[in-house]
Amino acid sequence: EVQLVQSGAEVKKPGESLKISCKGSGYSFSSYWIGWVRQMPGKGLEWMGIIYPGDSDATYSPSFQGQVTISADKSITTAYLQWNSLKASDTAMYYCARQVGGGSAWFSDYWGQGTLLTVSS
Amino acid sequence: DIVLTQSPGTLSLSPGERATLSCRASQSVRGSHLAWYQQKPGQAPRLLMYGASSRASGIPDRFSGSGSGTDFTLTISRLEPEDFAVYYCQQYGNSVYTFGQGTKLEIK
Repeated sequence: EVQLVQSGAEVKKPGESLKISCKGSGYSFSSYWIGWVRQMPGKGLEWMGIIYPGDSDATYSPSFQGQVTISADKSITTAYLQWNSLKASDTAMYYCARQVGGGSAWFSDYWGQGTLLTVSS
Repeated sequence: DIVLTQSPGTLSLSPGERATLSCRASQSVRGSHLAWYQQKPGQAPRLLMYGASSRASGIPDRFSGSGSGTDFTLTISRLEPEDFAVYYCQQYGNSVYTFGQGTKLEIK
């Protein structure tokens, strides 16, 4: 059974750093892209970027380029989303999702349960 | 970036009725690479359709998708109580993937 299990909810202060995780199981983790999606409170879905754990090749949405870092460690089948300096506007639910498809056209078939991030002074 | 506009914003229908949700793109979606997701309160999104008209594994056949170019439609033939949720379209044909703003399907 394919599963993506995300790390737990976080409460952080502005300016702090953070790395949240997404552990995959039940499939060949290195062979599937993993995507990250943001959902701000009461709002819609925003695509942040994707990574190929096999070689850590990552692509970012221009809206998130330079704001976050997406990484992966295939040895422990885990992908990460990282901030160096959090802002209150980073408060949101963050989802990871396995990507399927082909030819640089990837959609999300399995999703993690989400990690709720609250940034407040 | 491709902007996806979903309509209506909210759709009020009764169980047993037919639902038609629209997703319009600001430019042509390459390869009809358009997906639909369902999201219920407190849950992660769930994949319904991909490639505009292919149903994901385990999705009932009352769900169908159609369209190409800039106009896409998700149809639910006969609404079941569990279908009331928010629906998002997503294009993944261009290098920057984008979602629509969502259509809330509520019980009338």
